[in-house]
Amino acid sequence: DVKVTQSSRYLVKRTGEKVFLECVQDMDHENMFWYRQDPGLGLRLIYFSYDVKMKEKGDIPEGYSVSREKKERFSLILESASTNQTSMYLCASSTGVSYGYTFGSGTRLTVV
Amino acid sequence: GENVEQHPSTLSVQEGDSAVIKCTYSDSASNYFPWYKQELGKRPQLIIDIRSNVGEKKDQRIAVTLNKTAKHFSLHITETQPEDSAVYFCASSPGAGSARQLTFGSGTQLTVLP
Repeated sequence: DVKVTQSSRYLVKRTGEKVFLECVQDMDHENMFWYRQDPGLGLRLIYFSYDVKMKEKGDIPEGYSVSREKKERFSLILESASTNQTSMYLCASSTGVSYGYTFGSGTRLTVV
Repeated sequence: GENVEQHPSTLSVQEGDSAVIKCTYSDSASNYFPWYKQELGKRPQLIIDIRSNVGEKKDQRIAVTLNKTAKHFSLHITETQPEDSAVYFCASSPGAGSARQLTFGSGTQLTVLP
């Protein structure tokens, strides 16, 4: 019944590594989002996409990039992982006419 | 950009009592206000939402009120139960924009004491 799938639940990476977080949705949603969740800060928007190959910066895009080559897949890329990117990363999707999100289960990334 | 403030950050209530969580937003063009519940170790899930043309919406023990003039909205949970214990997030969405992305509050940890 899972509709938004994040490829990894837990990841441990070294400082300086290039990290890929994958998100796949099977609901044919136009919009996809990447947030990071930190205690006391809520969910902060990193990047989002409203169509294939389209992307827009969110509130905290520094140190991240994204790729959306297919409608169902939205990838978050940490070009050179740093310890301050240790966090829970949540992917979400929504339709073009509705506002509500469906979230993935999250990826807890630790950068050491 | 939009800013959403949420209070309180933690809330403890006795089972059967009511709980109220409040949020304010900054962008007067925002027109959609959802609430998400996140249980420990799980993904956030939408529990109720309200659009700017409505002042109040209720779904069983949960209700949301919106005051557009004051730019604040609140979540009300009545007859709380232990399974209501979770982190609750409010959010707002702009009136326009490519993907109607949500801006979230910082969250409220609700604990219902048996």
